[in-house]
Amino acid sequence: GIQVEQSPPDLILQEGANSTLRCNFSDSVNNLQWFHQNPWGQLINLFYIPSGTKQNGRLSATTVATERYSLLYISSSQTTDSGVYFCAVGRDNTDKLIFGTGTRLQVFP
Amino acid sequence: GAVVSQHPSRVICKSGTSVKIECRSLDFQATTMFWYRQFPKQSLMLMATSNEGSKATYEQGVEKDKFLINHASLTLSTLTVTSAHPEDSSFYICSGAGQELGYTFGSGTRLTVV
Repeated sequence: GIQVEQSPPDLILQEGANSTLRCNFSDSVNNLQWFHQNPWGQLINLFYIPSGTKQNGRLSATTVATERYSLLYISSSQTTDSGVYFCAVGRDNTDKLIFGTGTRLQVFP
Repeated sequence: GAVVSQHPSRVICKSGTSVKIECRSLDFQATTMFWYRQFPKQSLMLMATSNEGSKATYEQGVEKDKFLINHASLTLSTLTVTSAHPEDSSFYICSGAGQELGYTFGSGTRLTVV
């Protein structure tokens, strides 16, 4: 099956810093999403981005499908950005999602 | 937007008993429901995929007789953990998929077996 690796596994930042999270996947996909899991376990969908670039406020994401990776950029980080970030991939929009290994982000004031 | 209501949010049960977790799609028809399990500080691992009215498809290594999945309607899917043991303690999350809506995740159920 598809393997999804994320880096770094852990990231500690001071408020205001910028960061880049990476997601590598082992096979072609038609669905890639980024999620933020808050401390209560709720998954929040950040981006649906099988290819190209999208921006939403302080967050942006880029997927280079031909090279099988995606990047999530967080600018001017805030303490509320803390949590675990997952990328997840699938063959299409209704097929099962395979989650990556995750990046645990801690932002300190 | 689309909402999946998952209950209970937390449950503690005795070893050997069964626990049922419900996921309801409130404002859309979930033709497919995915069930995930997440151990502490680990990723979400897919357990099974269920389509309304048919038997669930289980991922390799997941015991279908232990984790019973029922998807009897387009708005309700249930996961029953039978004869629970402490090693079944985990965070269980469902995700409903409907046409053109993508995925909607429930808020999760934290199961503790004592």
